[in-house]
Amino acid sequence: DQQVKQNSPSLSVQEGRISILNCDYTNSMFDYFLWYKKYPAEGPTFLISISSIKDKNEDGRFTVFLNKSAKHLSLHIVPSQPGDSAVYFCAASVRSGGGADGLTFGKGTHLIIQP
Amino acid sequence: ETGVTQTPRHLVMGMTNKKSLKCEQHLGHNAMYWYKQSAKKPLELMFVYNFKEQTENNSVPSRFSPECPNSSHLFLHLHTLQPEDSALYLCASSQGYDDVISYEQYFGPGTRLTVT
Repeated sequence: DQQVKQNSPSLSVQEGRISILNCDYTNSMFDYFLWYKKYPAEGPTFLISISSIKDKNEDGRFTVFLNKSAKHLSLHIVPSQPGDSAVYFCAASVRSGGGADGLTFGKGTHLIIQP
Repeated sequence: ETGVTQTPRHLVMGMTNKKSLKCEQHLGHNAMYWYKQSAKKPLELMFVYNFKEQTENNSVPSRFSPECPNSSHLFLHLHTLQPEDSALYLCASSQGYDDVISYEQYFGPGTRLTVT
């Protein structure tokens, strides 16, 4: 049973427009959420994160929104650029207090930025 | 070398072979992780090490044996694997976290393993 779901396997957006990637989760214990970006033949690269005590976090062109009641988060990229074409993974964690916890990932969304 | 490195990048092994995957992090982190990504599946956590101590084993079969001799190195020893173990194996490291500081995990490029 998947605890983190990215229901869109792919998304195509025109350059300069806004890209919105969505993620849903089922485990209400998750308290920390991250977005990773992955190019072919490379490992995932951290993009942005958000703690469950916040509902928004912004870093340059990237903004993550968290709706805890709906168990939903989204990543907004604006404006979208060709270099943003990659697979984006949503990940979540339950911070147990031990100092290191594994992440639960979604299957990813392949974002394609059209020129 | 910078970041998280993994060797080899590609590995083909028979079901009776014994091989090891190596991961090294140059970030001064204290936690290291093994993940597996099979085709059309999300990344799945396998093991967590915090300050060289294994803190999580996510129900991984005993044919996968991790080793963490120090905070910078992590190994995954493989023996008598099955074809369904063919996957991308990713190593990650992080600083860990406390009540104030959040963390992120930094990933290596992965080892593409094929079991024949």
